[in-house]
Amino acid sequence: QQQVKQSPQSLIVQKGGISIINCAYENTAFDYFPWYQQFPGKGPALLIAIRPDVSEKKEGRFTISFNKSAKQFSLHIMDSQPGDSATYFCAASKGAQKLVFGQGTRLTINP
Amino acid sequence: DAGVIQSPRHEVTEMGQEVTLRCKPISGHNSLFWYRQTMMRGLELLIYFNNNVPIDDSGMPEDRFSAKMPNASFSTLKIQPSEPRDSAVYFCASTIFGGIGIQYFGAGTRLSVL
Repeated sequence: QQQVKQSPQSLIVQKGGISIINCAYENTAFDYFPWYQQFPGKGPALLIAIRPDVSEKKEGRFTISFNKSAKQFSLHIMDSQPGDSATYFCAASKGAQKLVFGQGTRLTINP
Repeated sequence: DAGVIQSPRHEVTEMGQEVTLRCKPISGHNSLFWYRQTMMRGLELLIYFNNNVPIDDSGMPEDRFSAKMPNASFSTLKIQPSEPRDSAVYFCASTIFGGIGIQYFGAGTRLSVL
């Protein structure tokens, strides 16, 4: 019930392409769904977050799509750039406190 | 703002030794979280505090692990005695309790127990 399942584990995308990472959750009490970006040797940093009252949120090249009925949400990175190469984590929580993280996706953008 | 500050950045110790990891949260933040990151288990929440009070320590793996927050600007995570399976990167994060939920992470402490 507390798990967040993330896929794929790794992803290689050509520069300029669209990167898509998917997550699924079980606990219907979750009401906060952030995505974190982590570069090697650094801590995770918040990229974008969504609450279940909207189905999509866009910030620049990054978009979260949220499907409440399917209990799934995804991160889309448009026009992917080599600087986007990092590990991405989805997460979920009730009340934005106790985050449960997915396993992470290592994204590589080839120039 | 300097962000969340963790020390040391790297720690190498021998099995059986006591290890203390330190964290200084962002000034004004009143929630603090300790996470452990490994390849096998990913990012796991160990314990978190609100207003210096431990709220949930269900992620602490066993009694060898303990955490304290004596004041709003300092927290420690202690492992005694340490074991090789404790080798991981330990992160501290802070946020404003009741705020919009952004957790700010430190750069982490890479612990190696030989």
